[in-house]
Amino acid sequence: EAQVTQNPRYLITVTGKKLTVTCSQNMNHEYMSWYRQDPGLGLRQIYYSMNVEVTDKGDVPEGYKVSRKEKRNFPLILESPSPNQTSLYFCASRTIGSTEQFFGPGTRLTVL
Amino acid sequence: GQQLNQSPQSMFIQEGEDVSMNCTSSSIFNTWLWYKQDPGEGPVLLIALYKAGELTSNGRLTAQFGITRKDSFLNISASIPSDVGIYFCAGRGYNNNDMRFGAGTRLTVKP
Repeated sequence: EAQVTQNPRYLITVTGKKLTVTCSQNMNHEYMSWYRQDPGLGLRQIYYSMNVEVTDKGDVPEGYKVSRKEKRNFPLILESPSPNQTSLYFCASRTIGSTEQFFGPGTRLTVL
Repeated sequence: GQQLNQSPQSMFIQEGEDVSMNCTSSSIFNTWLWYKQDPGEGPVLLIALYKAGELTSNGRLTAQFGITRKDSFLNISASIPSDVGIYFCAGRGYNNNDMRFGAGTRLTVKP
């Protein structure tokens, strides 16, 4: 089944404790991106990647890192999480030039 | 960056009623998209619009790409309980990565 998977789905952590949210897609898509969803703000892009070893900042990259060592994986790293990073995070992928993005199921992160 | 204004923020309707929501932008987009997000899941693409003035249907859903390229609307006819969810508009500019999302319209359908 073609899909985007994220892990974990839910995470409660404390300020300053490094964490990684994994994202994997099995559709051989070149393009992957991370969004955060907050009430009243819709989805805002954090980082995106056009292909392996090519990453770039989205609209809200502060406090986040990403890497793209393999085509299928695009982990989101929070080196020192803070409470304002409490949010619902979505990973998405698509082929370059395509309109349709496929979203993962989301990761709900709470930083205390 | 470009901002999308989506309205209404929420709607409470009776099963069988028609629904209309819209998005406006201060900037031009060359693609408009409408997504639906079910509770606990990621957004799923409903309709994509590529040309100004284009009117596209997907079952009970109809969406239009505004003639000014700065707006779009989505209509749902004869709503049913499974229409419940959050609907997002999204606009893409000429940059392949430049996609902006509206804040969403939360739809509740009462049986």
